[in-house]
Amino acid sequence: DADVTQTPRNRITKTGKRIMLECSQTKGHDRMYWYRQDPGLGLQLIYYSFDVKDINKGEISDGYSVSRQAQAKFSLSLESAIPNQTALYFCATSDPGPQETQYFGPGTRLLVL
Amino acid sequence: GENVEQHPSTLSVQEGDSAVIKCTYSDSASNYFPWYKQELGKRPQLIIDIRSNVGEKKDQRIAVTLNKTAKHFSLHITETQPEDSAVYFCAAARSNDYKLSFGAGTTVTVRA
Repeated sequence: DADVTQTPRNRITKTGKRIMLECSQTKGHDRMYWYRQDPGLGLQLIYYSFDVKDINKGEISDGYSVSRQAQAKFSLSLESAIPNQTALYFCATSDPGPQETQYFGPGTRLLVL
Repeated sequence: GENVEQHPSTLSVQEGDSAVIKCTYSDSASNYFPWYKQELGKRPQLIIDIRSNVGEKKDQRIAVTLNKTAKHFSLHITETQPEDSAVYFCAAARSNDYKLSFGAGTTVTVRA
């Protein structure tokens, strides 16, 4: 779904480095989410935002922070990357309503050495 | 919080046969249950979802059933085809926040 984009698509970094993953959407959705995916664990919610002034922690927020710069942009930061943050990261968006559905971006593959 | 368990973790079926994946959830307030399909190297894509006001929903070869009393829901794929091979995830959420809790996934392989 080209309406939700993530940059970079792949990133290799070293332990202790700060890294930012970016998500942009042209769907006009209010709600945005960050998930990480590890083999055998499904997707786990890191942070979510229901509008520009709203930020909420998910299941596994430790070691991460987020910024909702605009309705269309939601960034995820790793302040000091560690190897167990190596994972596939997905951004998702949704619009509140009776038929609300989440749409995922293409993912960012992160390797922390 | 919500805990979603998904079984089996892997499933191999002969082309043309049916595939069934089952999920259980713990939060009785959950009322939204989507299923996502993820092909290798790609993003999860919604294939079907069900809300708690119905017990079954069909879309061509795919159906989902929900038993709120027992807190479980299932995905049924009939007449499987090679392009059905993928990882399938179930999820559950409350409709007031749509914070999805995912199962661990089922890798489905359709043998030609």
